[in-house]
Amino acid sequence: GENVEQHPSTLSVQEGDSAVIKCTYSDSASNYFPWYKQELGKRPQLIIDIRSNVGEKKDQRIAVTLNKTAKHFSLHITETQPEDSAVYFCAAIKFGRRSQGNLIFGKGTKLSVKP
Amino acid sequence: DTEVTQTPKHLVMGMTNKKSLKCEQHMGHRAMYWYKQKAKKPPELMFVYSYEKLSINESVPSRFSPECPNSSLLNLHLHALQPEDSALYLCASSPYTHVNTEAFFGQGTRLTVV
Repeated sequence: GENVEQHPSTLSVQEGDSAVIKCTYSDSASNYFPWYKQELGKRPQLIIDIRSNVGEKKDQRIAVTLNKTAKHFSLHITETQPEDSAVYFCAAIKFGRRSQGNLIFGKGTKLSVKP
Repeated sequence: DTEVTQTPKHLVMGMTNKKSLKCEQHMGHRAMYWYKQKAKKPPELMFVYSYEKLSINESVPSRFSPECPNSSLLNLHLHALQPEDSALYLCASSPYTHVNTEAFFGQGTRLTVV
């Protein structure tokens, strides 16, 4: 089945710097890779996603890259701000019986942005 | 309405109690999910409903019993829980299960078993 590895587990950056979080997946059939941000005590919220037919996607300060050959994808946050501090989860879709796809999450990265 | 609503937000229950968690969405999504999240861990999939039918049970103990009364509602019935079942229980929905689409999460029910 699908396995998603996420690194680093914690990341501390200075405000204004960039942050990069990397994930690898095992199932080459996976074709959808969302990133969720979860603030303390709140729900996971989708911040960006990428599908396997695209190599890169950008939304303002956030970008995601996908390397299908190497089976890894990365989240890039530029010009970080204190409100970016949260736990970030990558995920890949796992296909099971009857082609049903379900999200498999990485272990999360706790990002701290220091003012 | 792009919300997934969960009630209650907090629940404290004894090990002999019976309680239910509720989840509601009005986005016309046909897939609904229950996840369990322990502190500092990612969400773990428990159950998947597709078109109101249980399609996946990830080896969850029988003290957790899901129910999908209609396409907008998802319940999780709890009975004889253990303290280690204390966690944040998240409901989510997506348009379908078999295509690559965004999953929307509810705000969760924080469950404490005493």
